[in-house]
Amino acid sequence: AQSVSQHNHHVILSEAASLELGCNYSYGGTVNLFWYVQYPGQHLQLLLKYFSGDPLVKGIKGFEAEFIKSKFSFNLRKPSVQWSDTAEYFCAVNTGTASKLTFGTGTRLQVTL
Amino acid sequence: DTAVSQTPKYLVTQMGNDKSIKCEQNLGHDTMYWYKQDSKKFLKIMFSYNNKELIINETVPNRFSPKSPDKAHLNLHINSLELGDSAVYFCASSSSRGAVSSYNEQFFGPGTRLTVL
Repeated sequence: AQSVSQHNHHVILSEAASLELGCNYSYGGTVNLFWYVQYPGQHLQLLLKYFSGDPLVKGIKGFEAEFIKSKFSFNLRKPSVQWSDTAEYFCAVNTGTASKLTFGTGTRLQVTL
Repeated sequence: DTAVSQTPKYLVTQMGNDKSIKCEQNLGHDTMYWYKQDSKKFLKIMFSYNNKELIINETVPNRFSPKSPDKAHLNLHINSLELGDSAVYFCASSSSRGAVSSYNEQFFGPGTRLTVL
């Protein structure tokens, strides 16, 4: 069975700092990868997704992620965070069977002014 | 227009009670899901229905019974509620139409915060 690891549980950054959140998955076959964001008190929203093609994926709100197959990683990046980026970020993987999404444990990002 | 809606948003109840949470989507999707998010924010799938048929049933106590009256609705009934059932329950939907069904994005509802006292 696939699993997803997010090693950063809580990240605190000042506004304008650069962000990189780690995501590693364990599955040897073809994967589809997602990053979701959950703002305080809200539902999950898709930030970006990777299915195939260019391993550098650009999403909404200036976020991007790079799929590195050899490292089983799909790290999320943003060059300059804003206070409004304070949220919980979830990496998820789908291995193509029955549309099941497996989520990582989430990373809480806190951006200070 | 709300894409995936859930009712109620908050549910506070006593141990031992039976309760239901409703989910509706107006996206024309044919696959719906229930996820449980615990107090540590960990999200785990519980069930998935495709065209009203159960396709994913993770290790969930049989006190939890999903029901899909049609493709646009997936309700969750919970019997004999326990303290450990306290969590936020998210409904989601996706479309299996297309070249590879599992590629499609899941759209999440706003969640139902269940508190069992």
